[in-house]
Amino acid sequence: AQRVTQPEKLLSVFKGAPVELKCNYSYSGSPELFWYVQYSRQRLQLLLRHISRESIKGFTADLNKGETSFHLKKPFAQEEDSAMYYCALSGRGGGNKLTFGTGTQLKVEL
Amino acid sequence: DVKVTQSSRYLVKRTGEKVFLECVQDMDHENMFWYRQDPGLGLRLIYFSYDVKMKEKGDIPEGYSVSREKKERFSLILESASTNQTSMYLCASIVPSGGEQFFGPGTRLTVL
Repeated sequence: AQRVTQPEKLLSVFKGAPVELKCNYSYSGSPELFWYVQYSRQRLQLLLRHISRESIKGFTADLNKGETSFHLKKPFAQEEDSAMYYCALSGRGGGNKLTFGTGTQLKVEL
Repeated sequence: DVKVTQSSRYLVKRTGEKVFLECVQDMDHENMFWYRQDPGLGLRLIYFSYDVKMKEKGDIPEGYSVSREKKERFSLILESASTNQTSMYLCASIVPSGGEQFFGPGTRLTVL
């Protein structure tokens, strides 16, 4: 069975401070990991996926297979980063089904 | 731009009513999904479909059914709505080769 754990329901940081949103997963094979974001009153959208190895809006995430983690990081938080963030996993041959974590609400304070 | 639309943004129904939630995508995606989104629980997969007339149960299919008569349309049906089905319902689609799932704006269903 595949599982995604996001231990923090709410993360509050000051503008300019570093951000780390934690994500751990459980999967027996080689998963594909994603971060999705939902800004206020907007639809859920992809932020980044591990195979792209990109930095999007200053965010990066590295897949650590040893620790089964895929933490989302940004060196300097901006007010516009305030949103709900979901970590998600897709297993191979699963019809592209996603298993989501419970989400972390990021609040960036001035 | 991929567009996934859902028939209603807000819906209020009474217990026992039959409820239809419609989702349409315009990018010829084979795979479509229905999730419900609840605070503290994240998104949970209800049903998905990888082709017309094909469907598979997700993690929480009880109390729901689906219909996929055309490639672009995926309907979620609550045969007899109950108060514990009050939630935000999200539809999504993706190409079979994988990548990004594109989400609709969501339907907030309240069952009284």
